[in-house]
Amino acid sequence: QKEVEQNSGPLSVPEGAIASLNCTYSDRVSQSFFWYRQYSGKSPELIMSIYSNGDKEDGRFTAQLNKASQYVSLLIRDSQPSDSATYLCAVAGGSYIPTFGRGTSLIVHP
Amino acid sequence: SQTIHQWPATLVQPVGSPLSLECTVEGTSNPNLYWYRQAAGRGLQLLFYSVGIGQISSEVPQNLSASRPQDRQFILSSKKLLLSDSGFYLCACPRQGAWDTEAFFGQGTRLTVV
Repeated sequence: QKEVEQNSGPLSVPEGAIASLNCTYSDRVSQSFFWYRQYSGKSPELIMSIYSNGDKEDGRFTAQLNKASQYVSLLIRDSQPSDSATYLCAVAGGSYIPTFGRGTSLIVHP
Repeated sequence: SQTIHQWPATLVQPVGSPLSLECTVEGTSNPNLYWYRQAAGRGLQLLFYSVGIGQISSEVPQNLSASRPQDRQFILSSKKLLLSDSGFYLCACPRQGAWDTEAFFGQGTRLTVV
């Protein structure tokens, strides 16, 4: 069974700090990796996708992928209170259907 | 642009009552469609997916069913709701212009079974 594991948190960081969110997955043939942000009561929205080993940067967000360790992470620089949300890690392989983790709750306090 | 409509947004139903949730997609043709459920404190669980009209695959055995009567319409149903059916139900499809694995979500239906 494909599994995606995340620490549920909450992860609490001060405004302006770097938030580091982590995710591990069980299916070695996974090819696509995603980070979604979900505000309370809302549907998830995609913020980052990564397909190859290494880092991918988009504004304040950096996704990191290590397929050998089956590990994907999301760094949020200069964290803002508006970044407070649940961050879902998703992984997809040959079936093309994403499997989601339970999410990590992030709280950015002023 | 791609849009997923779900209704209703919220629903409170008694145990044992029937359920019908509807999802329609605009801005894309012949999409793969998915129903996910997010229960309190749990992750997104894939319930059903469909690759075309009348083609439904079930991921988890339960008292729910799904149908796809039209290319852009996906319906989630139950004949008798259980308390454990409470949750946030999300319809999704691959994001237009992206790889098939990038899921794009509707606004969801929050179901409370009482």
